[in-house]
Amino acid sequence: GAGVSQSPSNKVTEKGKDVELRCDPISGHTALYWYRQSLGQGLEFLIYFQGNSAPDKSGLPSDRFSAERTGGSVSTLTIQRTQQEDSAVYLCASSLAGTSSYNEQFFGPGTRLTVL
Amino acid sequence: AQSVTQLGSHVSVSEGALVLLRCNYSSSVPPYLFWYVQYPNQGLQLLLKYTTGATLVKGINGFEAEFKKSETSFHLTKPSAHMSDAAEYFCAVSDRRSQGNLIFGKGTKLSVKP
Repeated sequence: GAGVSQSPSNKVTEKGKDVELRCDPISGHTALYWYRQSLGQGLEFLIYFQGNSAPDKSGLPSDRFSAERTGGSVSTLTIQRTQQEDSAVYLCASSLAGTSSYNEQFFGPGTRLTVL
Repeated sequence: AQSVTQLGSHVSVSEGALVLLRCNYSSSVPPYLFWYVQYPNQGLQLLLKYTTGATLVKGINGFEAEFKKSETSFHLTKPSAHMSDAAEYFCAVSDRRSQGNLIFGKGTKLSVKP
């Protein structure tokens, strides 16, 4: 079956612009995670969704970052007023349930964001 | 707070040689432990995981890892490296009490020489 997909695969934007990154999880996966992968910080957790709710937003680096999930499926990560330090690869992952923390997370290919 | 330390950001081995990638974790509760592999321009793929039970865990592509509580380690090994093993490897920990978000190490890039 289809895996986790993300779009766009690459995004180049100018400093100060807003960007939206999209994640389509595996069908039936109720848990969805966003991570950020950057050279300086490695892989960092951003936010977790269980269904449409986000019980854990602790990893969002600033209030310029927000995310939503609709219909228990597609999720959008929005970065407002982008800064150069936002340049990174944004990875999305989904799993069957978030209440059992050993469930395998399946990762998408990522969106590479470059802020000029 | 949980953390993961991977010793060696870059490891180089010859084809056919033993692969050993080191991972140490810090956790106040028994953790779940994972190894993921990332090939260039691709997402992360699960190699293996430790949850409970047998401390020697076998994964895909001939990799295995041993959970050693006394050493707080979860090192990844493979007896004989293949060229196709060249990739970046990430060790991760998940708190059993949490909803499953992973705390990753910085990663180790494995190079395999012919």
